[in-house]
Amino acid sequence: QVTLKESGPGILQPSHTLSLTCSFSGFSLSTYGMGVSWIRQPSGKGLEWLASIWWNGNTYNNPSLKSRLTVSKDTSNNQAFLKVTSVDTADTATYYCAHTRAGGAHYFDYWGQGVMVTVSS
Amino acid sequence: DIQMTQSPASLSASLGETVTIECLASEDIYSNLAWYQQKPGKSPQLLIYDASSLQDGVPSRFSGSESGTQYSLEINSLQSEDAATYFCQQHHDYPYTFGAGTKLELK
Repeated sequence: QVTLKESGPGILQPSHTLSLTCSFSGFSLSTYGMGVSWIRQPSGKGLEWLASIWWNGNTYNNPSLKSRLTVSKDTSNNQAFLKVTSVDTADTATYYCAHTRAGGAHYFDYWGQGVMVTVSS
Repeated sequence: DIQMTQSPASLSASLGETVTIECLASEDIYSNLAWYQQKPGKSPQLLIYDASSLQDGVPSRFSGSESGTQYSLEINSLQSEDAATYFCQQHHDYPYTFGAGTKLELK
């Protein structure tokens, strides 16, 4: 059974760096074809894909956020991480991590419950 | 980026009715289209992938189809638990993009 759970600071100030952790079970990010993606959703709005990290260490970021995103993983502890630098109020959203697979199956079949992040001074 | 134009933004239907939600891709996405259901306060749940493949555990009243770059989600015999917001997502190319969502209300 695949499960994922996000954790993060809840609230942070503008210009700071947002650090999120996705703790998962039921799969390994060292297994061929496995991936974890990050998606966010401002309250009452749509979904935005942010980044993905794959079993082989490859990462892909949404260019709309330019170079503000960094994704990484700790395979031994079944965790993936997202860092967003220089946050502002537009980064206020619920952030989700989700399981995905390689080979054309780049949809999100399991999602975490989400963590709400507020950027405010 | 591939743009996904989803319609309608909202709709209201009665129990037992059939509704259709559509997504138009700005270019060919070769059937790499997923549909999600999201209820208030919950994370999205995958309904359909590859345009028409039903995710395990999803009721058969949900179905997906395509015609060119137009993709459709049909929900037959609406149940009260189908009240939710539905999103499409292209999983053909980076950056993955979503439709703006369709809020389905039950009369």
